[in-house]
Amino acid sequence: SQKIEQNSEALNIQEGKTATLTCNYTNYSPAYLQWYRQDPGRGPVFLLLIRENEKEKRKERLKVTFDTTLKQSLFHITASQPADSATYLCALPTSGTYKYIFGTGTRLKVLA
Amino acid sequence: DGGITQSPKYLFRKEGQNVTLSCEQNLNHDAMYWYRQDPGQGLRLIYYSQIVNDFQKGDIAEGYSVSREKKESFPLTVTSAQKNPTAFYLCASSTGGGTAGETQYFGPGTRLLVL
Repeated sequence: SQKIEQNSEALNIQEGKTATLTCNYTNYSPAYLQWYRQDPGRGPVFLLLIRENEKEKRKERLKVTFDTTLKQSLFHITASQPADSATYLCALPTSGTYKYIFGTGTRLKVLA
Repeated sequence: DGGITQSPKYLFRKEGQNVTLSCEQNLNHDAMYWYRQDPGQGLRLIYYSQIVNDFQKGDIAEGYSVSREKKESFPLTVTSAQKNPTAFYLCASSTGGGTAGETQYFGPGTRLLVL
């Protein structure tokens, strides 16, 4: 069955550094992959979508890569700020349906 | 303001009671979803609907029921058959394009607690 794995351990980094989060998937070749941000007690908010034919996508301080050979996406936040502290989720559409599967998310804490 | 609203923010359920969580969207989206989130776990799909008057079971549909009588509304009922209902429930919608690359818009969530 299709699976997504994200590092369940929290990631602590110093303000100003680059945070890198990983999303791995198996048994699947998705047409695209999404990243969401979730703050405690709130619903996820969409950040970026990258398609299978795109190697890299950028939005302000955010960068996403998509390696279909490794079946992996990397999510980077450059010049990180304490306000970037949140849980980041990756999500994939399942083939042939309107369903999505989500990873468990990685909690990022940016230390001032 | 366009978006998704969920109510109530907190809901308490007594043993043997059915409760209904509300989800409304004014984004004119065709597809709507219900997810359950437990601590340390990802979002798990309960039910989804691609169009009015049609819905499909997700991965954990047992003990839940839904209806989709209107495009903008997708209520979720947690029945007494759901033995462990305590969780954070999230409703979402999307334009429903399948492989076109659809963003999901989420509501603020409802936290359900068992008394």
